[in-house]
Amino acid sequence: AQSVTQPDIHITVSEGASLELRCNYSYGATPYLFWYVQSPGQGLQLLLKYFSGDTLVQGIKGFEAEFKRSQSSFNLRKPSVHWSDAAEYFCAGGYQKVTFGTGTKLQVIP
Amino acid sequence: DGGITQSPKYLFRKEGQNVTLSCEQNLNHDAMYWYRQDPGQGLRLIYYSQIVNDFQKGDIAEGYSVSREKKESFPLTVTSAQKNPTAFYLCASSLNGQGGTTEAFFGQGTRLTVV
Repeated sequence: AQSVTQPDIHITVSEGASLELRCNYSYGATPYLFWYVQSPGQGLQLLLKYFSGDTLVQGIKGFEAEFKRSQSSFNLRKPSVHWSDAAEYFCAGGYQKVTFGTGTKLQVIP
Repeated sequence: DGGITQSPKYLFRKEGQNVTLSCEQNLNHDAMYWYRQDPGQGLRLIYYSQIVNDFQKGDIAEGYSVSREKKESFPLTVTSAQKNPTAFYLCASSLNGQGGTTEAFFGQGTRLTVV
């Protein structure tokens, strides 16, 4: 089945440390890929998207993601995490119908 | 300001009652979606509509119904047939209804509690 998988349910990092959130996709061809962030009780906000072209995508709030076809991955990265980055992060992918991963909850410790 | 408005933010209903969740967008988007979110399960697609007067079932459509009479509006009815209706419901819209995917913009969600 076509899907995206986020293997990490919960990640804890120290403020100022680097961050990488994993996302793997399973599609026949390269899908559209997205990363969203959700604060508690809120809707989702788009961080970045990949449709085609340059495999390193820059997003808002200092996030970036790299598309790696050989690994079927689209991991989200940030060089230095801030306490305000604590939230739940969702990877999503698809063509006309988008499927979401189960999310990774990020905790930031001072 | 353009955006998606879901109302109400919190909703309580007695078991066996139908309830309708509102979703309005002024982004002039063709496509609209309803998702259900439960802890640890991500977002699951209930229904989506790519164009006015047309909609398709998503992965968990049983116990739900929708209509798309206007481009701006995509209300979701949670019927008494839905076995576990308590959840957080998210409405979204995207620019292209057909011929390709663009990013989805989300409302703030409605938390439905059935007692």
